[in-house]
Amino acid sequence: AQSVTQPDIHITVSEGASLELRCNYSYGATPYLFWYVQSPGQGLQLLLKYFSGDTLVQGIKGFEAEFKRSQSSFNLRKPSVHWSDAAEYFCAVETNAGKSTFGDGTTLTVKP
Amino acid sequence: DSGVTQTPKHLITATGQRVTLRCSPRSGDLSVYWYQQSLDQGLQFLIQYYNGEERAKGNILERFSAQQFPDLHSELNLSSLELGDSALYFCASSGDSYGYTFGSGTRLTVV
Repeated sequence: AQSVTQPDIHITVSEGASLELRCNYSYGATPYLFWYVQSPGQGLQLLLKYFSGDTLVQGIKGFEAEFKRSQSSFNLRKPSVHWSDAAEYFCAVETNAGKSTFGDGTTLTVKP
Repeated sequence: DSGVTQTPKHLITATGQRVTLRCSPRSGDLSVYWYQQSLDQGLQFLIQYYNGEERAKGNILERFSAQQFPDLHSELNLSSLELGDSALYFCASSGDSYGYTFGSGTRLTVV
């Protein structure tokens, strides 16, 4: 069965600083990987996804993620964080049957 | 607006009662997923439907049931409600491409 680990429960960065959120997955086949963002009181919004090909994928809101098969990782990055990026971020792995497993989430706080 | 509609947005009910949560998927999406999100348990997968048929089951209690109708909308029925059932309930849909589109959720409070 697949699983997703987000090692950091909470991260605080200063506005304008760079950001990296970690995600490690466990899945026997080729993974389909996703990052979602959830603002308070809202549903989850898809930021970006990886299926195959180029291991660096670009998403919305200036986010990117890099797939590293050797490390079973799919870390999310942003070069310069904005105050509006404060939210909870979820990494997910999806099987080819369409079932997703989500990590426990990382809460991002942005300091002014 | 994500295209996935959930109603109602908020629901307050007493223990022992039964409620129905409704979800209309994004146009063209055949799959519907239900998730429960609480502070202590995170995002928990409950159940998946594909074109009217149950496809996968997760951590769904026997007191809970769901169905997907011919027009593809789905309902999640929660019965004999307990205080611990208070949570955000999300519906998501997906189509031919991978990745989910989530609704904004129903916040259920059991008092």
